[in-house]
Amino acid sequence: AQRVTQPEKLLSVFKGAPVELKCNYSYSGSPELFWYVQYSRQRLQLLLRHISRESIKGFTADLNKGETSFHLKKPFAQEEDSAMYYCALTSSNTGKLIFGQGTTLQVKP
Amino acid sequence: NAGVTQTPKFQVLKTGQSMTLQCAQDMNHEYMSWYRQDPGMGLRLIHYSVGAGITDQGEVPNGYNVSRSTTEDFPLRLLSAAPSQTSVYFCASSYLGGPNQPQHFGDGTRLSIL
Repeated sequence: AQRVTQPEKLLSVFKGAPVELKCNYSYSGSPELFWYVQYSRQRLQLLLRHISRESIKGFTADLNKGETSFHLKKPFAQEEDSAMYYCALTSSNTGKLIFGQGTTLQVKP
Repeated sequence: NAGVTQTPKFQVLKTGQSMTLQCAQDMNHEYMSWYRQDPGMGLRLIHYSVGAGITDQGEVPNGYNVSRSTTEDFPLRLLSAAPSQTSVYFCASSYLGGPNQPQHFGDGTRLSIL
């Protein structure tokens, strides 16, 4: 069965510190993985997808199939990065997009 | 463009009442879906649709019905509301390619069942 696990409910760091939001998944096929973000008073929106191998707002995420992980990283956190972050998984076979539990990132000044 | 529009934004119901949450999109997206968001549970998929006339169940479909008579609209019905359905509900849509495409979300509907 598809499953996405984000082990941390809350991650609190100081401005300028490195950030790593953890995401682990279980899926027997070839998944596609995403990170979505919800800033305060805004709609949930796509941050990045593994297939694009891009860096958005300084964030990157690498798919590690051996460890079944897709951790989100940023070398220097900014206060405006404070938000709820969701890892999500899908496959073309199921037609479903499954989300993890979400991690609240709090960047302190 | 309005994008994805959800109505109402807030609603309080009594146990046993019925209600329809509305979702409309003006982007001609084929794929639409409903999620509920609960503390510690993240977003859980209720139902989804890959086009008009086609719907399928997600992770937590019990207690909810959907229909997709047009491309634009994807209403979610609660036939007999229960306190366990107290949640924030999000509708999302995307282009053909479904969940592999970036999902566009609505603002959400906050529903309380007393």
